[in-house]
Amino acid sequence: NAGVTQTPKFQVLKTGQSMTLQCAQDMNHNSMYWYRQDPGMGLRLIYYSASEGTTDKGEVPNGYNVSRLNKREFSLRLESAAPSQTSVYFCAAEWGGGETQYFGPGTRLLVL
Amino acid sequence: GDSVTQMEGPVTLSEEAFLTINCTYTATGYPSLFWYVQYPGEGLQLLLKATKADDKGSNKGFEATYRKETTSFHLEKGSVQVSDSAVYFCALKDYGQNFVFGPGTRLSVLP
Repeated sequence: NAGVTQTPKFQVLKTGQSMTLQCAQDMNHNSMYWYRQDPGMGLRLIYYSASEGTTDKGEVPNGYNVSRLNKREFSLRLESAAPSQTSVYFCAAEWGGGETQYFGPGTRLLVL
Repeated sequence: GDSVTQMEGPVTLSEEAFLTINCTYTATGYPSLFWYVQYPGEGLQLLLKATKADDKGSNKGFEATYRKETTSFHLEKGSVQVSDSAVYFCALKDYGQNFVFGPGTRLSVLP
């Protein structure tokens, strides 16, 4: 039982390149989330998926797209990376209805 | 909208010292309150939670009490250890809403 897994752990991109961050959970949770963590700003919600087949924008969605591929997997795509997207990205899963969120180990992204 | 305020630190303590990290919140409803901990290089882990007023959450020697009258959820531990060095996040979740996290408080415990 791995919980929430994320790949890759670390990535360096050049401005304008694209990439997809992968997230998978084996807890059979309904809801999944993508956050970014920047110094002094805590976690900010990028996108979330309350259930399979649905996605919604969070606080900072610009420059990102997501896909809820199935109940287990929720990917985050940067179509044209910018230096402002340098951050640590966390995926989380939640059963739903106010329960605990479980976090992955994070992906550290550096955009040059 | 809902928000969480916490002391940003860093907080530096000696081993066995008493720890308090303050957290206050604003919410339109009756949220659940959480403390998460992030160890270096890792994701966030739930430390404790409380779902209604006057509830006390506790885990690993840490405690926090849901105080509706002061809209607070302060984290305390009687005797910290070096292994408690981490970043601590206060968070709330209102029914039907997403989690709202505070900015985090970095704790360093010196031997």
